[in-house]
Amino acid sequence: DAGVIQSPRHEVTEMGQEVTLRCKPISGHDYLFWYRQTMMRGLELLIYFNNNVPIDDSGMPEDRFSAKMPNASFSTLKIQPSEPRDSAVYFCASRSQGYNEQFFGPGTRLTVL
Amino acid sequence: AQSVTQPDIHITVSEGASLELRCNYSYGATPYLFWYVQSPGQGLQLLLKYFSGDTLVQGIKGFEAEFKRSQSSFNLRKPSVHWSDAAEYFCAVAEKGGGNKLTFGTGTQLKVEL
Repeated sequence: DAGVIQSPRHEVTEMGQEVTLRCKPISGHDYLFWYRQTMMRGLELLIYFNNNVPIDDSGMPEDRFSAKMPNASFSTLKIQPSEPRDSAVYFCASRSQGYNEQFFGPGTRLTVL
Repeated sequence: AQSVTQPDIHITVSEGASLELRCNYSYGATPYLFWYVQSPGQGLQLLLKYFSGDTLVQGIKGFEAEFKRSQSSFNLRKPSVHWSDAAEYFCAVAEKGGGNKLTFGTGTQLKVEL
C-alpha cells in the first residue's frame, strides 16, 4: 500500500492567493482527517470526514478555509485568500472503521509570503 | 474537553542511556492513547498505542509505554537510546467513539549526544 499521499509537498505562495492542498487516503479507509502543525499551536485537528461527509469542522480557523471530499479517494483543503499566518505544515490522515490507528501522510509545508 | 500535557519541551540524553518521556492526559474516561515520532521534515509515525488490557505496551524501535490510570499518565520509555532516536515525540489521546479525533501534546524534542 502506498500510504496516505499528499500533494504538493511544498507550496510557496503570496498573500491573497488561493491555495489547494490535496490528499489521497489509504484505500478502504472510511475516515479522513486534516491537521495543521505550527510552532505556536502545535498539532491541531481542522476537520474530519466519515464516508466522505464532513463530521466535525470546529477546528477550521475561519471562513477562508474549506475542505471537500468528493469521493472516497480524494480530499482537498482550500485556503482563499491565503495569509502569512496560514504558513504551517498541513497533514492528512486516514483510518478505517473499527480500527483506531490513524495513518499520516508526509505533510504539505505551506509558506505564504 | 480532553487535553494532553508533555511537560518536557527538550530532553538531552547520551547514546546508550535510558529514556523516559512523560505524558499526562485529562479525560473523563480512559481514552485511546498513542505515541508518535516525527523526524525533521517528516510525517508522523506511530510508535505504539494503548486501547485496553495490559497496561505495558510494546512498540516499534524498542520503545514501550506504561498506562497508569491512577496518575493519568502514559510515559514512553526506552532502555538504551540510539543516535537515530533523535526526533520529536508526541503523545496523543483519542476519544472513544465517533471519529476518534486525536488531541496531541505539545511534543518533546529529543537530542542524543554521542
